[in-house]
Amino acid sequence: GNSVTQMEGPVTLSEEAFLTINCTYTATGYPSLFWYVQYPGEGLQLLLKATKADDKGSNKGFEATYRKETTSFHLEKGSVQVSDSAVYFCALPISSGSARQLTFGSGTQLTVLP
Amino acid sequence: GAVVSQHPSRVICKSGTSVKIECRSLDFQATTMFWYRQFPKQSLMLMATSNEGSKATYEQGVEKDKFLINHASLTLSTLTVTSAHPEDSSFYICSALPQRGYPDTQYFGPGTRLTVL
Repeated sequence: GNSVTQMEGPVTLSEEAFLTINCTYTATGYPSLFWYVQYPGEGLQLLLKATKADDKGSNKGFEATYRKETTSFHLEKGSVQVSDSAVYFCALPISSGSARQLTFGSGTQLTVLP
Repeated sequence: GAVVSQHPSRVICKSGTSVKIECRSLDFQATTMFWYRQFPKQSLMLMATSNEGSKATYEQGVEKDKFLINHASLTLSTLTVTSAHPEDSSFYICSALPQRGYPDTQYFGPGTRLTVL
């Protein structure tokens, strides 16, 4: 089945710093790719997604581009805020024929200091 | 829109008791819901897929008699941890797929922290 490898954390940045969290995937075909965010003590929230190659997903200043050449979907933000402190998960469907069950990366803990 | 709730948010129980966790889609109907388990500082592990009106599909290694899932309506799925033991202590998260709208986007509940003493 499909799988995803995510950059190990934790990541600590100062406010307004540039953020990159790496995510690479192995998949049959071109499934949708997702970034989810989990704030302390909460469930997951969809941050952004891309449904086909070369698509760019964006939300709340975060961006990620679906790159089939490098099988990557790296998450970026130009200027992080303290409120961005959370755990970020890269995800994709378990199999390309299924648009439903997801497999998640290991998660990357981001801490932004004021 | 697309809000999913879970109840309770936190539960502490004695070893040997059963605990029921509810997952509700508040403003949409969901024919499919998922149950995940998350250990501290780890990723989510899919336990089972819950389909309205039919039996749940369990992932390999998940005991179906231990983790009973019922999806009786388009807005409610329940997970019952039977005869709970300390090793069942974990953070349980559900998600729901809207019947309409984006077919591949799961919406997650806030999670339930289970502690078995």
